[in-house]
Amino acid sequence: EVQLVESGGGLVKPGGSLRLSCAASGFTFTDAWMSWVRQAPGKGLEWIGRIKSETDGGTTDYAALAKGRFSISRDDSKNTLFLQMNGLKTDDTAVYFCTTGISPPRGNWGQGTLVTVSS
Amino acid sequence: DIQMTQSPSTLSASVGDRVTITCRASQSISRWLAWYQQKPGKAPKLLIYKASSLESGVPSRFSGIGSGTEFTLTISSLQPDDFASYYCQQYDTYSGWTFGQGTKVEIK
Repeated sequence: EVQLVESGGGLVKPGGSLRLSCAASGFTFTDAWMSWVRQAPGKGLEWIGRIKSETDGGTTDYAALAKGRFSISRDDSKNTLFLQMNGLKTDDTAVYFCTTGISPPRGNWGQGTLVTVSS
Repeated sequence: DIQMTQSPSTLSASVGDRVTITCRASQSISRWLAWYQQKPGKAPKLLIYKASSLESGVPSRFSGIGSGTEFTLTISSLQPDDFASYYCQQYDTYSGWTFGQGTKVEIK
């Protein structure tokens, strides 16, 4: 069974940093393109960015909201995806999901981890 | 960046109704379009990918059609479990993803 489990969320002050993790199991993580998506309270889904598999170059792509502040990485030896968030703003308050999206294994999402940015 | 415009934002319907949600892309995305269902407090659930391919386990009352810039999700006969929010998503390989603003399907 495919499982994605996010962790690392919590309360952080504006300007602070946070590192989210996504532990993957039940599929060949090394072959997977992985993405982060967030959802602010009562709002829609917002793509943050993705990281390709190492065999496809391991490169990252980001939405405009993330460029310069957020960074996605992966540790294939630990089947773990990361999202490093710096310079956090109150607008970054959201549930953060990791997902395989449409890439194989298709349609898998974690349960999300809540990040609250507040003084 | 590719923008996705989804309509309507809210839809009131009754059990048994035929429901249609539309999504427009700001430029052609071929058939790189997915539809998700999301219930409060839960992760999105993939319903349809490549514009019209039904994800395994999804009831056949859900269907998708379209290509280029115009796409539609149809629920042929709305069931009680279908009251939820729906999102379209473009997943062009080169430009990343964009989601539509969402459609909340409410009980009439």
